[in-house]
Amino acid sequence: AQKITQTQPGMFVQEKEAVTLDCTYDTSDPSYGLFWYKQPSSGEMIFLIYQGSYDQQNATEGRYSLNFQKARKSANLVISASQLGDSAMYFCAMREGQMANNLFFGTGTRLTVIP
Amino acid sequence: KAGVTQTPRYLIKTRGQQVTLSCSPISGHRSVSWYQQTPGQGLQFLFEYFSETQRNKGNFPGRFSGRQFSNSRSEMNVSTLELGDSALYLCASSYQGSKNIQYFGAGTRLSVL
Repeated sequence: AQKITQTQPGMFVQEKEAVTLDCTYDTSDPSYGLFWYKQPSSGEMIFLIYQGSYDQQNATEGRYSLNFQKARKSANLVISASQLGDSAMYFCAMREGQMANNLFFGTGTRLTVIP
Repeated sequence: KAGVTQTPRYLIKTRGQQVTLSCSPISGHRSVSWYQQTPGQGLQFLFEYFSETQRNKGNFPGRFSGRQFSNSRSEMNVSTLELGDSALYLCASSYQGSKNIQYFGAGTRLSVL
């Protein structure tokens, strides 16, 4: 079974609007971390936001917020006030355990922001 | 603080050759992980080094190897290159804190002809 599932290959959003990118995960480990990364066409993976499995509150980082629904095993990324520079691939990833450094990645969602 | 630096950015090799890629982590980060990204397989974990020891390994053949030096810089080597090794190779470093966030470099794009 896939550990990370991103069901939206591509998404379009109007500039200044909000958009939600979906991510579901599968793990039996009670301790895990969830990450979102942005990959522009240049190739570099840019860290956006982190959510720990024991965190009580949803994570927020500027215009990024993570809608964490533990019972449903979902960790959707919400980008508010989209900008043209947000056009990129977005990857959801998971780390199982606290110390492990092998991330499992989803297949990504290509976001296009329309002016 | 400087980010993760990978060199070279681009490489072209022929089948059967070997290649070495380099990664300098963020200062103070002792963990370095390597990933392979291809259109077909997506992002896959290769291995992780911490304090000069391989701590974790993904499901790749023995042609893929790596090492880490005392200054935390890491290299990965691919021997007897195959066409399927053409990929973007990404290196990430992390500080072993509570969040253990991995920060990535810009990658090395390897083309095998």
